[in-house]
Amino acid sequence: GDSVTQTEGQVALSEEDFLTIHCNYSASGYPALFWYVQYPGEGPQFLFRASRDKEKGSSRGFEATYDKGTTSFHLRKASVQESDSAVYYCALGSSGGNYKPTFGKGTSLVVHP
Amino acid sequence: GPKVLQIPSHQIIDMGQMVTLNCDPVSNHLYFYWYKQILGQQMEFLVNFYNGKVMEKSKLFKDQFSVERPDGSYFTLKIQPTALEDSAVYFCASSLISSGNTLYFGEGSRLIVV
Repeated sequence: GDSVTQTEGQVALSEEDFLTIHCNYSASGYPALFWYVQYPGEGPQFLFRASRDKEKGSSRGFEATYDKGTTSFHLRKASVQESDSAVYYCALGSSGGNYKPTFGKGTSLVVHP
Repeated sequence: GPKVLQIPSHQIIDMGQMVTLNCDPVSNHLYFYWYKQILGQQMEFLVNFYNGKVMEKSKLFKDQFSVERPDGSYFTLKIQPTALEDSAVYFCASSLISSGNTLYFGEGSRLIVV
């Protein structure tokens, strides 16, 4: 079945550091790929998506490029802020009749001032 | 952005009792989902629902769980009877079309079974 593997556990950075959270997927067909962010006490929020190979999604300074060859969708940000501290989820949503959006385990980002 | 409303935000219930969690999805959305998140752990898919029917459910969606959306009102998750291991935050989500579309989540319903 479909699966998503992302950087496990917690990533701790200082403000203005460069962020990378790895995400790799396994799926049949050609899934759409997503990043969601969850702040404490809230539900996950859509960050951005990409639907085809080499497409770049971006929002709020975060970006990721759909890479079908390496089955990856790594999240990057050039300069993180304390307000970026949250849990980030990589997810895939197949278009081929799989009605179960698949989420990774989530990566907790902690940014120190 | 689009809002999904969940009621109640939290509830404490005795083990063995019934609980209904309510979700008011985005108005023109057609697909609805429930996810379960135990404190500090990942979100786990429970079920999705379209056109009055369950499309897919996970192993976590026990026989004691049921979902419905009568007459386009709230999309509900009912647990009867509840068990201690049902304590978690339950997130409702909706999407316009299928899972290839963006999910919009509510803020969650925290359920504590004692």
